[in-house]
Amino acid sequence: EAGVVQSPRYKIIEKKQPVAFWCNPISGHNTLYWYLQNLGQGPELLIRYENEEAVDDSQLPKDRFSAERLKGVDSTLKIQPAELGDSAVYLCASSPQVGREQYFGPGTRLTVT
Amino acid sequence: AQSVAQPEDQVNVAEGNPLTVKCTYSVSGNPYLFWYVQYPNRGLQFLLKYITGDNLVKGSYGFEAEFNKSQTSFHLKKPSALVSDSALYFCAVRDMRLTGGGNKLTFGTGTQLKVEL
Repeated sequence: EAGVVQSPRYKIIEKKQPVAFWCNPISGHNTLYWYLQNLGQGPELLIRYENEEAVDDSQLPKDRFSAERLKGVDSTLKIQPAELGDSAVYLCASSPQVGREQYFGPGTRLTVT
Repeated sequence: AQSVAQPEDQVNVAEGNPLTVKCTYSVSGNPYLFWYVQYPNRGLQFLLKYITGDNLVKGSYGFEAEFNKSQTSFHLKKPSALVSDSALYFCAVRDMRLTGGGNKLTFGTGTQLKVEL
């Protein structure tokens, strides 16, 4: 069974530029999560989807961050414009349903210069 | 609010010796508890979970964890450490009571395990 796929793995951009991350969850997993992980910290939830519905986006900085999961499968997380403080690893995870264990992708390491 | 504490930033163990990585939690209701491991430049991998039932939970790669309700702890253990166990370990908790937006997993800050020959 294929795991959670994320791309790109690494991204370097200048501040004020836009950036997008893509995630394809494990087949059949209805719940999809985007996390932010800073160096030396645990992941922090940005947004959770149940199928195509965002059911928890309270931690998503909506002035610059947006996400979508149009068909309830793959998802895109966008930052526009990026700031220096956005440099981090962005993790995507999925689970068969909420409350079950989550399966993580390898992450996208973003560096904003 | 729910929270997780991993009091040790790093744990050093000799190969073949038992290891313990500590975790304590705080939730209002009953907890779901998880351990994840992260290798360099990789995502987190699920190790084991406690939902209900037996307080000793067995997981992947020979790891186990003991749920202690009175001490609000969920320490990760392994009887005999391997060099290949060296990685970053995260404990996580979810409050069973919460639904909707509150139904989220809260992670600790991680403990770096170093197993040496």
